[in-house]
Amino acid sequence: AQTVTQSQPEMSVQEAETVTLSCTYDTSENNYYLFWYKQPPSRQMILVIRQEAYKQQNATENRFSVNFQKAAKSFSLKISDSQLGDTAMYFCARRSGNTGKLIFGQGTTLQVKP
Amino acid sequence: NAGVTQTPKFQVLKTGQSMTLQCAQDMNHNSMYWYRQDPGMGLRLIYYSASEGTTDKGEVPNGYNVSRLNKREFSLRLESAAPSQTSVYFCASSEATTGGLAGANVLTFGAGSRLTVL
Repeated sequence: AQTVTQSQPEMSVQEAETVTLSCTYDTSENNYYLFWYKQPPSRQMILVIRQEAYKQQNATENRFSVNFQKAAKSFSLKISDSQLGDTAMYFCARRSGNTGKLIFGQGTTLQVKP
Repeated sequence: NAGVTQTPKFQVLKTGQSMTLQCAQDMNHNSMYWYRQDPGMGLRLIYYSASEGTTDKGEVPNGYNVSRLNKREFSLRLESAAPSQTSVYFCASSEATTGGLAGANVLTFGAGSRLTVL
């Protein structure tokens, strides 16, 4: 099975500090896409950032950036200047370039402490 | 701008009862999906519909059926509910699922439906 693994069930960080969430995946495809979704207590799934596998440059969205290591099949999310509103569960996901199926990791619960 | 709308938001069933979760999107998306979310397991794909008139099984299809009623609507049916189907269900949609750029399209999710089977 082609899986996505998040090895950190829970993490915490002090407000204004930086935290990195880990994700590894398995795939035999060359063309695929990687995503980080955020799920706050409201349960709504919110896209945080997206990375195209054929692009070497790491994606960034304001305080959110990724470290994409294609050979290692690693896709970590860095949150800088953490805010209380970043408290949520974060899911890493990989989407097949051909079928479009989106496969999720188990999730990491992040708590930002004041 | 409603996006993806799921109903009901909460439902309690007894074992053996049937029910249908409804999903509708107003973004003119071609593809729609049903996921279930369980603690420690992330979201798992139940069924998806690449386009109107087609449906395919995902990772965990057993015990479920789906209907792509038209381009807007994609329903999920539990014919005989079991306690193992207690979960939060999410509907999602995207523009396309085939072709080399299919994976680039972002999924938009509904707010989720919490189902408890006693």
